[in-house]
Amino acid sequence: EADIYQTPRYLVIGTGKKITLECSQTMGHDKMYWYQQDPGMELHLIHYSYGVNSTEKGDLSSESTVSRIRTEHFPLTLESARPSHTSQYLCASGLAGADEQYFGPGTRLTVT
Amino acid sequence: GENVEQHPSTLSVQEGDSAVIKCTYSDSASNYFPWYKQELGKRPQLIIDIRSNVGEKKDQRIAVTLNKTAKHFSLHITETQPEDSAVYFCAATMGGFQKLVFGTGTRLLVSP
Repeated sequence: EADIYQTPRYLVIGTGKKITLECSQTMGHDKMYWYQQDPGMELHLIHYSYGVNSTEKGDLSSESTVSRIRTEHFPLTLESARPSHTSQYLCASGLAGADEQYFGPGTRLTVT
Repeated sequence: GENVEQHPSTLSVQEGDSAVIKCTYSDSASNYFPWYKQELGKRPQLIIDIRSNVGEKKDQRIAVTLNKTAKHFSLHITETQPEDSAVYFCAATMGGFQKLVFGTGTRLLVSP
C-alpha cells in the first residue's frame, strides 16, 4: 500500500547522543519535507527537498541535517541531541508540480 | 513576514451544530489553501483544499470559502458529530518553493 513510513515512532535518548529519524515513502513523490510539531501546536518546516541530491533549510532554525540520496528516502539526523529537541517530527511528501502534501505518522522524540 | 493567523484557538459546539474556523494569510501571491485534521496522537490528514481561482468548495458536510481580496479563508463544518473532534490546521502556500505555512490550529470539541 502506498504510504509514508517513519521509524522509530517513539524514541527516548540521553543528551549528546547522535540519532537519525527515518522517513520512507512508497507514494512515488519527488518532494519531501520535515516538520517539527509540539503536541497540538502548529507545524514548522525545518527541511525540504525537491528531489534526489536536493536539500534546503526551512523556516525554523534547526540543528538537524538531512540527505536525499534516494527518491523514496529522506532521513533526518541530529548530531548531538539536547532536551530542546524534544518534540514530534513529521515527514511529508508530495508530487512535483502539485501542492498537496501528505504526512507520515510522526516520530515522538524525548531527550533526557 | 510570511504568516497565517487562525481563529478561534478552541471551539466547543453541540452535536448537530455548525462550526466555522477562520484564517488570514499575509502573502497576496498565495494560491493554495489546504485544511488538515489531526486527531490526538495521529498524523495530520488533508480533508479539503481550495485554490485561488475558486471561491468556494464543498465536500459533504465540510466546505471552504476563500476571499482573495481580504486574504482570508474559512472552514465550515455542518451537522457536527463527536468524531469531528480534533485539531484543525489551515495553511497557505508561500515563497518561491510554494512551501506551506500553517496556522496555529483550532481545537474543536463536539459534545454529544
